[in-house]
Amino acid sequence: AQSVTQPDIHITVSEGASLELRCNYSYGATPYLFWYVQSPGQGLQLLLKYFSGDTLVQGIKGFEAEFKRSQSSFNLRKPSVHWSDAAEYFCAVKGYSTLTFGKGTMLLVSP
Amino acid sequence: EAGVVQSPRYKIIEKKQPVAFWCNPISGHNTLYWYLQNLGQGPELLIRYENEEAVDDSQLPKDRFSAERLKGVDSTLKIQPAELGDSAVYLCASSLELWSSASPNTGELFFGEGSRLTVL
Repeated sequence: AQSVTQPDIHITVSEGASLELRCNYSYGATPYLFWYVQSPGQGLQLLLKYFSGDTLVQGIKGFEAEFKRSQSSFNLRKPSVHWSDAAEYFCAVKGYSTLTFGKGTMLLVSP
Repeated sequence: EAGVVQSPRYKIIEKKQPVAFWCNPISGHNTLYWYLQNLGQGPELLIRYENEEAVDDSQLPKDRFSAERLKGVDSTLKIQPAELGDSAVYLCASSLELWSSASPNTGELFFGEGSRLTVL
């Protein structure tokens, strides 16, 4: 069965600094991978997705992610974090029945 | 285009009481999902509908949970009776494609804002 691991429960980044959130997946075939963001009291919003082709994918709000098959990773990056980016981020892989989500990484942004 | 709409946004009940959540998916979306999100966790699938058929309800606790999707559009998730451990956020999502379709399926889900349940 597919699974997703997000090893960092919390990350604190200074505003303006760069960000990388880690995601490792387990899936037998070529994965379809997603990053979602959830602001407090809100539903999940899709940031970006990877299906095939270019391993560096661009998303909304200045986010990008890189698929590395050899490392089974799909890390999310942003060159300069804004205070409004503080939220919880979920990595997900498309499986047989639905999306399987990681437990999430809470991003805190310090002034 | 309207997104996935859920109600109520918040519900506080005493244990053993019933509760129901309603979801209206994006127009034209064939697949509807109910997810459970516990505090500090990622969403976990409860049930998936393709049109009006529940094609995956293996994670739905059927002794107290029930769901329906009449006419393949709106859906209702019910808990009766509620227990303290049911306190969580119940998320509804929809997708255009049928998950089990043989044709390429992007797997992109669109989520509502969720219904937060507190059981006292």
